[in-house]
Amino acid sequence: AQKVTQAQTEISVVEKEDVTLDCVYETRDTTYYLFWYKQPPSGELVFLIRRNSFDEQNEISGRYSWNFQKSTSSFNFTITASQVVDSAVYFCALSEAETSGSRLTFGEGTQLTVNP
Amino acid sequence: ETGVTQTPRHLVMGMTNKKSLKCEQHLGHNAMYWYKQSAKKPLELMFVYNFKEQTENNSVPSRFSPECPNSSHLFLHLHTLQPEDSALYLCASSQEGGTLPKETQYFGPGTRLLVL
Repeated sequence: AQKVTQAQTEISVVEKEDVTLDCVYETRDTTYYLFWYKQPPSGELVFLIRRNSFDEQNEISGRYSWNFQKSTSSFNFTITASQVVDSAVYFCALSEAETSGSRLTFGEGTQLTVNP
Repeated sequence: ETGVTQTPRHLVMGMTNKKSLKCEQHLGHNAMYWYKQSAKKPLELMFVYNFKEQTENNSVPSRFSPECPNSSHLFLHLHTLQPEDSALYLCASSQEGGTLPKETQYFGPGTRLLVL
């Protein structure tokens, strides 16, 4: 069975600080997909990134970066120079290739608050 | 992405009412999903539709009745709900080809439901 754990329930930082959100996953599949979504107070889940299990290259997109490590089953997300607009709940999710359809298993989310 | 819309955004209903939630996707996708997000709990997948056919019902009580008349529209009909059904109901869509890789799900803004 697949499982996603986001151990940090809440994180509070001051603007311009760097912050890392942790995500640890469990799966028996050798091919799987990992996602990060952002949920601002408005409620909509905004897609941020998708990573395939066979591509361990880390990715940077502006102030966002992702560190995928299969050896530790982790897919951590770092925001550099955080801004107030980054305040949201962030979800990590996993989809197994062998599962029919796109069943996403979500972690419980990390509430990030960036204070001015 | 703002290609998935949901109405209404907020809904208050009594336990004896009947109401419907509507979701529309403008992305040309062929799969649609209903999720429930309760406070302090991970997102729960409720239903999956692929090419208008229901492919998954995640043990959802019969007081929730989905309908997918075409690939662009998805409804969730509600009747005789309980207070514990109060939650944010999120709709998502994706393009599924039946083969790898799994496609990304894009979410709507959700309907905040309060059952009195």
